[in-house]
Amino acid sequence: DAKTTQPPSMDCAEGRAANLPCNHSTISGNEYVYWYRQIHSQGPQYIIHGLKNNETNEMASLIITEDRKSSTLILPHATLRDTAVYYCISSYGKLTFGQGTILTVHP
Amino acid sequence: EPEVTQTPSHQVTQMGQEVILRCVPISNHLYFYWYRQILGQKVEFLVSFYNNEISEKSEIFDDQFSVERPDGSNFTLKIRSTKLEDSAMYFCASSDILAGGPIEQFFGPGTRLTVL
Repeated sequence: DAKTTQPPSMDCAEGRAANLPCNHSTISGNEYVYWYRQIHSQGPQYIIHGLKNNETNEMASLIITEDRKSSTLILPHATLRDTAVYYCISSYGKLTFGQGTILTVHP
Repeated sequence: EPEVTQTPSHQVTQMGQEVILRCVPISNHLYFYWYRQILGQKVEFLVSFYNNEISEKSEIFDDQFSVERPDGSNFTLKIRSTKLEDSAMYFCASSDILAGGPIEQFFGPGTRLTVL
C-alpha cells in the first residue's frame, strides 16, 4: 500500500496557484518525496522530487516540512492542461502509487 | 529531450499466447522498471532491473513474467502464457543513479495489452 495520504480531489481556477498537500508521516531517512502526474492513461510524468530541502523547477515548487512528514506541491499558475491525477510518493527505488489527487483546473 | 519509448502501443493477443513488450530506456540510464495499470486501477510496480539482473520484484511478477536487456538499448518484458487478467497498460521507466542509488524515473507512453 502507498505510504502517503492525499485528498482525493481538488479544484483550482485557471491562472491561480494550485497547492496540493501530501502526508508521508512514515517516510524513512533515505526516501525521497516524488511527485508525478498522470493525464488520462498516459505514462506518469515526473514533476519534481526532494529529500529535505524545498525545490523548484520549471514545472513546480515542492515545500517539505522540517520534520519531513508532509509536503506541498505548488503549481504557481495552473492551466487547463494541468488537469490530471497527481501522485505524491515517498520512495527509494520502486515507486508505490496510491490513488492520488484528481486536480481539476477550471476556466 | 531524451525520452523512454515503447513498442507496440497496442498489443492484442489470445489467452495462452506469449507476448513481448519492448522498451528503449533513456540512453545513459542504468535502472529499468516495468509497471502496469489495469483499467481504472492504480499504477503497480512489477520489477526493477540493474546491472543485468532483477533488483526487486513484486508479487505480481511471477514465473510467467521475465525481463531481459538483450542488447545495449532495449529492455523487454515477456509474458509466457497470457491470462485475461494480464490485460492492462504496461509502462516502462528508467532512471539514472545519484550517490549509488536510483533517482527520478522517467516513464514511457505505455503499451496497452489486451488479452482475449
